Amino acid sequence: QSVLTQPPSVSGAPGQRVTISCTGGSSNIGAGYDVHWYQQLPGTAPKLLIYDNTNRPSGVPDRFSGSKSGTSASLVITGLQAEHEADYYCQSFDSSLSGWVFGGGTKLTVL
Amino acid sequence: QVQLVESGGGVVQPGRSLRLSCAASGFTFSSAAIHWVRQAPGTGLEWVAVISYDGSIKSYADSVKGRFTISRENSKNTLFLQMNSLRGEDTAVYYCARAVNSGSGDWHRDSFDIWGQGTMVSVSP
Repeated sequence: QSVLTQPPSVSGAPGQRVTISCTGGSSNIGAGYDVHWYQQLPGTAPKLLIYDNTNRPSGVPDRFSGSKSGTSASLVITGLQAEHEADYYCQSFDSSLSGWVFGGGTKLTVL
Repeated sequence: QVQLVESGGGVVQPGRSLRLSCAASGFTFSSAAIHWVRQAPGTGLEWVAVISYDGSIKSYADSVKGRFTISRENSKNTLFLQMNSLRGEDTAVYYCARAVNSGSGDWHRDSFDIWGQGTMVSVSP
């Protein structure tokens, strides 16, 4: 059971916009710790997609955006493409656990 | 080329030990905190352990505390994970990942910007 809760799956048609939520609590996101997002394509290692809540590493297109408010964070993907089919994970730090934590992951399906 | 390459995985019986390695190249290894993250088959990512840039600070997930030991040899640009008393639930792909801080100086805020390809550990009788 992850302390960061993500929907197990989301889907959208090509060209559409999807949002993936990441809900935490007062010991992680609500405590002010940054949220980072990773994309894991099938059979590959995770890749950093969004860091420090809203920032994109070099090379990540601006169709990916992140936000954070209160005890939650969100990843938005616009202009869905087949290549976006992957698992997406949020990550932060939890002071109660004294450790880094990941959400359970969300599988994105492009219809 | 900035990269991390894990090795040392394999099949091991419950209760036995295994040592994983993570070789770094293309960046100043001795300046970076490095994490181990694992992923059991068909499941999500689980943080395992972290070591500070100089090896002076280490932290572990409760699930591995007392059984796993993280270490590093900066002169050889290599990270290790010594895994003892292995259990079936330790079966996973193990990734090493570089931590990066965007300026806060607080490593709790780090993201993981470089990942290795992973090495598979299977614990089975």
